[in-house]
Amino acid sequence: TQLLEQSPQFLSIQEGENLTVYCNSSSVFSSLQWYRQEPGEGPVLLVTVVTGGEVKKLKRLTFQFGDARKDSSLHITAAQPGDTGLYLCAGGPGGNNRLAFGKGNQVVVIP
Amino acid sequence: NAGVTQTPKFQVLKTGQSMTLQCAQDMNHNSMYWYRQDPGMGLRLIYYSASEGTTDKGEVPNGYNVSRLNKREFSLRLESAAPSQTSVYFCASSEVVTVTATNEKLFFGSGTQLSVL
Repeated sequence: TQLLEQSPQFLSIQEGENLTVYCNSSSVFSSLQWYRQEPGEGPVLLVTVVTGGEVKKLKRLTFQFGDARKDSSLHITAAQPGDTGLYLCAGGPGGNNRLAFGKGNQVVVIP
Repeated sequence: NAGVTQTPKFQVLKTGQSMTLQCAQDMNHNSMYWYRQDPGMGLRLIYYSASEGTTDKGEVPNGYNVSRLNKREFSLRLESAAPSQTSVYFCASSEVVTVTATNEKLFFGSGTQLSVL
Protein backbone atom coordinates (compact mmCIF):
# COMPACT_ATOMS: atom_id res chain seq x y z
CA THR A 1 0.00 0.00 0.00
CA GLN A 2 1.39 3.36 -1.03
CA LEU A 3 1.50 5.82 1.82
CA LEU A 4 1.02 9.56 1.46
CA GLU A 5 2.42 11.62 4.33
CA GLN A 6 1.16 15.16 4.69
CA SER A 7 2.96 17.78 6.75
CA PRO A 8 2.40 19.76 8.81
CA GLN A 9 -0.73 18.15 10.19
CA PHE A 10 -1.93 21.50 11.56
CA LEU A 11 -1.01 25.04 10.63
CA SER A 12 -2.40 28.30 11.99
CA ILE A 13 -1.42 31.60 10.40
CA GLN A 14 -2.54 35.22 10.27
CA GLU A 15 -4.43 36.62 7.33
CA GLY A 16 -2.06 37.90 4.67
CA GLU A 17 0.77 35.49 5.45
CA ASN A 18 2.07 32.85 3.06
CA LEU A 19 2.12 29.13 3.76
CA THR A 20 3.29 25.89 2.21
CA VAL A 21 2.09 22.37 2.98
CA TYR A 22 3.57 19.13 1.72
CA CYS A 23 2.52 15.70 0.52
CA ASN A 24 5.28 13.10 0.38
CA SER A 25 5.60 9.44 -0.50
CA SER A 26 8.31 6.87 -1.10
CA SER A 27 6.33 5.63 -4.10
CA VAL A 28 5.87 7.04 -7.57
CA PHE A 29 2.38 8.17 -8.53
CA SER A 30 0.91 8.52 -12.01
CA SER A 31 -0.98 11.55 -10.81
CA LEU A 32 -1.66 13.51 -7.68
CA GLN A 33 -4.73 15.48 -6.70
CA TRP A 34 -5.41 18.12 -4.07
CA TYR A 35 -8.81 18.50 -2.41
CA ARG A 36 -10.07 21.03 0.14
CA GLN A 37 -12.61 20.02 2.77
CA GLU A 38 -14.56 22.49 4.90
CA PRO A 39 -16.26 21.50 8.18
CA GLY A 40 -19.41 19.47 7.65
CA GLU A 41 -18.80 19.09 3.93
CA GLY A 42 -17.19 16.62 1.57
CA PRO A 43 -13.82 17.24 -0.12
CA VAL A 44 -13.81 19.36 -3.25
CA LEU A 45 -11.23 18.77 -5.97
CA LEU A 46 -8.86 21.71 -6.50
CA VAL A 47 -6.33 20.40 -9.00
CA THR A 48 -4.77 17.34 -10.61
CA VAL A 49 -1.07 17.22 -11.51
CA VAL A 50 0.24 14.55 -13.82
CA THR A 51 3.69 15.47 -15.15
CA GLY A 52 6.82 15.49 -12.98
CA GLY A 53 7.81 19.09 -12.24
CA GLU A 54 4.39 20.40 -13.21
CA VAL A 55 3.22 23.64 -11.61
CA LYS A 56 -0.42 24.69 -11.60
CA LYS A 57 -1.89 27.90 -10.25
CA LEU A 58 -5.41 28.46 -8.98
CA LYS A 59 -5.70 32.13 -8.02
CA ARG A 60 -3.49 32.44 -4.89
CA LEU A 61 -2.84 28.69 -4.68
CA THR A 62 0.22 27.18 -6.38
CA PHE A 63 0.54 23.41 -6.71
CA GLN A 64 3.75 21.64 -7.67
CA PHE A 65 4.37 17.98 -8.51
CA GLY A 66 7.88 16.77 -7.72
CA ASP A 67 10.22 15.88 -10.55
CA ALA A 68 10.24 12.23 -9.45
CA ARG A 69 6.42 12.22 -9.02
CA LYS A 70 6.74 11.15 -5.38
CA ASP A 71 5.77 14.40 -3.71
CA SER A 72 3.79 17.58 -4.08
CA SER A 73 3.46 20.95 -2.41
CA LEU A 74 0.71 23.51 -2.07
CA HIS A 75 1.67 27.14 -1.54
CA ILE A 76 -0.90 29.77 -0.58
CA THR A 77 0.02 33.41 -1.08
CA ALA A 78 -1.54 36.09 1.13
CA ALA A 79 -3.85 33.63 2.89
CA GLN A 80 -7.47 34.62 3.47
CA PRO A 81 -9.91 33.27 6.10
CA GLY A 82 -11.74 31.55 3.24
CA ASP A 83 -8.65 29.38 2.73
CA THR A 84 -9.32 27.70 6.07
CA GLY A 85 -9.92 23.99 5.65
CA LEU A 86 -8.47 20.50 5.52
CA TYR A 87 -6.27 20.03 2.45
CA LEU A 88 -6.08 16.44 1.27
CA CYS A 89 -3.68 15.02 -1.28
CA ALA A 90 -4.59 11.87 -3.18
CA GLY A 91 -2.34 9.81 -5.42
CA GLY A 92 -3.11 7.24 -8.04
CA PRO A 93 -2.88 4.40 -8.30
CA GLY A 94 -2.97 3.39 -4.66
CA GLY A 95 -4.40 0.27 -3.04
CA ASN A 96 -6.98 -1.59 -5.17
CA ASN A 97 -5.71 0.61 -8.04
CA ARG A 98 -7.84 3.43 -6.68
CA LEU A 99 -6.83 6.81 -5.26
CA ALA A 100 -4.91 6.74 -1.98
CA PHE A 101 -5.54 9.68 0.34
CA GLY A 102 -3.22 11.34 2.82
CA LYS A 103 -4.49 12.31 6.28
CA GLY A 104 -4.60 15.99 5.42
CA ASN A 105 -3.16 19.37 6.34
CA GLN A 106 -5.50 21.36 8.61
CA VAL A 107 -5.04 25.04 7.79
CA VAL A 108 -6.55 27.81 9.90
CA VAL A 109 -6.28 31.41 8.72
CA ILE A 110 -6.97 33.91 11.50
CA PRO A 111 -8.53 37.24 10.48
CA ASN B 1 -27.31 21.21 -9.72
CA ALA B 2 -27.43 18.79 -6.75
CA GLY B 3 -24.32 16.70 -7.56
CA VAL B 4 -24.00 13.88 -5.00
CA THR B 5 -26.77 13.62 -2.41
CA GLN B 6 -26.45 11.53 0.75
CA THR B 7 -29.11 10.66 3.31
CA PRO B 8 -29.38 10.78 6.24
CA LYS B 9 -27.09 13.58 7.42
CA PHE B 10 -26.87 12.22 10.98
CA GLN B 11 -27.71 8.85 12.51
CA VAL B 12 -27.33 7.24 15.92
CA LEU B 13 -27.55 3.46 16.19
CA LYS B 14 -27.28 0.95 18.97
CA THR B 15 -24.83 -1.91 18.64
CA GLY B 16 -26.36 -4.66 16.52
CA GLN B 17 -28.86 -2.48 14.70
CA SER B 18 -28.85 -2.30 10.93
CA MET B 19 -29.22 0.61 8.56
CA THR B 20 -28.71 1.67 4.97
CA LEU B 21 -27.00 4.86 3.84
CA GLN B 22 -28.37 6.19 0.59
CA CYS B 23 -26.46 7.99 -2.14
CA ALA B 24 -27.56 9.38 -5.49
CA GLN B 25 -25.73 11.38 -8.15
CA ASP B 26 -27.20 13.38 -11.02
CA MET B 27 -24.03 13.85 -13.09
CA ASN B 28 -24.48 10.68 -15.17
CA HIS B 29 -21.21 9.32 -13.73
CA ASN B 30 -20.34 5.69 -14.26
CA SER B 31 -18.43 5.13 -11.03
CA MET B 32 -19.43 5.51 -7.41
CA TYR B 33 -17.60 5.05 -4.11
CA TRP B 34 -18.12 4.81 -0.37
CA TYR B 35 -15.45 6.17 1.98
CA ARG B 36 -15.19 6.53 5.72
CA GLN B 37 -13.27 9.32 7.40
CA ASP B 38 -11.90 8.93 10.91
CA PRO B 39 -9.68 11.29 12.92
CA GLY B 40 -6.04 10.48 12.30
CA MET B 41 -6.89 7.92 9.62
CA GLY B 42 -7.86 9.98 6.64
CA LEU B 43 -10.26 8.82 3.95
CA ARG B 44 -10.43 5.07 3.48
CA LEU B 45 -12.24 3.34 0.65
CA ILE B 46 -14.91 0.85 1.72
CA TYR B 47 -16.42 -0.26 -1.60
CA TYR B 48 -16.66 1.09 -5.08
CA SER B 49 -18.67 0.43 -8.21
CA ALA B 50 -16.86 1.00 -11.48
CA SER B 51 -20.08 0.76 -13.47
CA GLU B 52 -23.71 -0.21 -13.08
CA GLY B 53 -23.93 -3.85 -12.11
CA THR B 54 -20.44 -4.18 -10.63
CA THR B 55 -19.08 -3.67 -7.12
CA ASP B 56 -15.61 -4.21 -5.66
CA LYS B 57 -14.07 -4.18 -2.21
CA GLY B 58 -11.87 -1.34 -1.12
CA GLU B 59 -9.44 -1.06 1.78
CA VAL B 60 -11.92 -1.61 4.66
CA PRO B 61 -14.95 -3.63 3.43
CA ASN B 62 -15.57 -5.83 6.50
CA GLY B 63 -18.96 -5.26 8.13
CA TYR B 64 -20.44 -3.51 5.10
CA ASN B 65 -22.43 -4.44 2.01
CA VAL B 66 -23.27 -2.32 -1.00
CA SER B 67 -25.83 -2.25 -3.77
CA ARG B 68 -25.55 -0.40 -7.06
CA LEU B 69 -29.28 -0.02 -7.58
CA ASN B 70 -28.95 1.74 -10.95
CA LYS B 71 -26.55 4.20 -12.55
CA ARG B 72 -27.61 6.99 -10.17
CA GLU B 73 -27.82 5.20 -6.83
CA PHE B 74 -25.28 3.38 -4.65
CA SER B 75 -26.25 2.32 -1.13
CA LEU B 76 -24.14 1.18 1.82
CA ARG B 77 -25.61 -1.22 4.38
CA LEU B 78 -24.47 -2.01 7.89
CA GLU B 79 -26.08 -5.32 8.84
CA SER B 80 -25.06 -5.34 12.50
CA ALA B 81 -23.54 -2.04 13.55
CA ALA B 82 -20.52 -1.99 15.86
CA PRO B 83 -18.95 0.94 17.77
CA SER B 84 -15.90 0.64 15.49
CA GLN B 85 -18.14 1.77 12.64
CA THR B 86 -18.68 5.17 14.24
CA SER B 87 -17.40 7.49 11.56
CA VAL B 88 -18.26 10.03 8.89
CA TYR B 89 -19.26 8.31 5.67
CA PHE B 90 -18.84 9.92 2.27
CA CYS B 91 -20.25 8.86 -1.04
CA ALA B 92 -18.47 10.00 -4.18
CA SER B 93 -18.79 9.63 -7.91
CA SER B 94 -16.51 9.98 -10.91
CA GLU B 95 -17.00 9.81 -14.62
CA VAL B 96 -14.70 6.82 -15.09
CA VAL B 97 -12.52 4.36 -13.28
CA THR B 98 -9.10 3.83 -14.84
CA VAL B 99 -6.36 1.34 -14.08
CA THR B 100 -4.02 4.08 -12.90
CA ALA B 101 -6.73 6.14 -11.18
CA THR B 102 -5.24 9.12 -13.01
CA ASN B 103 -8.52 10.45 -14.31
CA GLU B 104 -10.64 9.68 -11.27
CA LYS B 105 -11.85 13.14 -10.37
CA LEU B 106 -14.07 12.51 -7.41
CA PHE B 107 -17.17 14.49 -6.54
CA PHE B 108 -18.17 14.00 -2.92
CA GLY B 109 -21.45 14.25 -1.07
CA SER B 110 -21.65 16.18 2.21
CA GLY B 111 -21.38 13.09 4.40
CA THR B 112 -23.29 11.10 7.00
CA GLN B 113 -22.20 11.36 10.63
CA LEU B 114 -22.87 7.92 12.15
CA SER B 115 -22.54 7.11 15.83
CA VAL B 116 -22.88 3.54 17.09
CA LEU B 117 -23.43 3.27 20.83
